Amino acid sequence: NAGVTQTPKFRILKIGQSMTLQCTQDMNHNYMYWYRQDPGMGLKLIYYSVGAGITDKGEVPNGYNVSRSTTEDFPLRLELAAPSQTSVYFCASSQQGAGGANVLTFGAGSRLTVL
Amino acid sequence: QQQVKQSPQSLIVQKGGISIINCAYENTAFDYFPWYQQFPGKGPALLIAIRPDVSEKKEGRFTISFNKSAKQFSLHIMDSQPGDSATYFCAARVSGSARQLTFGSGTQLTVLP
Repeated sequence: NAGVTQTPKFRILKIGQSMTLQCTQDMNHNYMYWYRQDPGMGLKLIYYSVGAGITDKGEVPNGYNVSRSTTEDFPLRLELAAPSQTSVYFCASSQQGAGGANVLTFGAGSRLTVL
Repeated sequence: QQQVKQSPQSLIVQKGGISIINCAYENTAFDYFPWYQQFPGKGPALLIAIRPDVSEKKEGRFTISFNKSAKQFSLHIMDSQPGDSATYFCAARVSGSARQLTFGSGTQLTVLP
């Protein structure tokens, strides 16, 4: 199983450009998440989805958009990139389990630099 | 607003020593407390987790201690090994339908040979 696959692994953007970070999972998980990781700040939730067609904002959604048209895919769109969006982005997925266990499976990350 | 506070930010331990990382939370609605381990260039991976109805959980050299009244929990790594060198994140789950995790700021552990 591939698990959670993120592309690209690295990207440099100029201020004002737009791009989409791709995320796909092959585990048939219903929950998917986007986090950003900044040094000393831990992981901050950007957006999440509980199933196809359903998305909601996390802690730091400004400047980002998501969509969930299929169970497998959860792309993150950056509009008008800003230096503050320089970060490492992680996509994760999980399955709602009986008893409430919530094990997140993370992708390998996408390092984005905005200059 | 940081809901899960983690300390220390970095930790250096000799091989064979005990590594201790602490976390504190404020939201009493949290109902699940996992620890994630992250190696350089990789995504975090679940290490061990605990629910608030138990005070301790042990898996091999890794132990979570949980103090519900103090709203604190900690990770103990016994007989620390150089291969344990990684960044460790505590987290807490917000009860509700999406079950999203709130993460601490992370602790970079270095185990010296």
